[in-house]
Amino acid sequence: AQSVTQPDARVTVSEGASLQLRCKYSYSATPYLFWYVQYPRQGLQLLLKYYSGDPVVQGVNSFEAEFSKSNSSFHLQKASVHWSDSAVYFCALSGDNTNTGKLTFGDGTVLTVKP
Amino acid sequence: AQTIHQWPVAEIKAVGSPLSLGCTIKGKSSPNLYWYWQATGGTLQQLFYSITVGQVESVVQLNLSASRPKDDQFILSTEKLLLSHSGFYLCAWSPANSQNTLYFGAGTRLSVL
Repeated sequence: AQSVTQPDARVTVSEGASLQLRCKYSYSATPYLFWYVQYPRQGLQLLLKYYSGDPVVQGVNSFEAEFSKSNSSFHLQKASVHWSDSAVYFCALSGDNTNTGKLTFGDGTVLTVKP
Repeated sequence: AQTIHQWPVAEIKAVGSPLSLGCTIKGKSSPNLYWYWQATGGTLQQLFYSITVGQVESVVQLNLSASRPKDDQFILSTEKLLLSHSGFYLCAWSPANSQNTLYFGAGTRLSVL
């Protein structure tokens, strides 16, 4: 069985501050990991993905994430947030490459950036 | 560039009425196609996937059905809506050789009253 946990349902930060959104996963092997962002009343946009190699992956809009096998984590980070980053962020896991497209999502973290 | 279009943007339907939601992908031949559902305030759950025209696999049973009549089209439907069908329906695609990297459409918001 595989699962994704986002322990923080809501995070509030001030504009210009640094950000970390946490993601923990459970999977018996090395998974494929993703971060998606959902702006209000919109679909999901892919921020970044990790398959293998360098554990730090860069994404769009200066987001990056670090994979840790020992901690079973894939935390999302940004050095300086902007008010437009306010959205819901989902961490997701895929445990295979069989083209089923089955992603296991966390419950999401609502990010509010205060001006 | 690939584009994914979902229709309608939103629907308000009565319990027991039929439903048809659509999704079209342009700029990519033979994509894998997927339907996901997001309950209000909840996480996402895969409903169906399709690797080729005419073939659809069901992942969860929610009294919904899906069809892929064309390479670039994916349809989600039911003959009788339930209150529990309310939520946000997202269509997604991935390249056939993808490592499960999905690209989502803008979604359809469904309210069943």
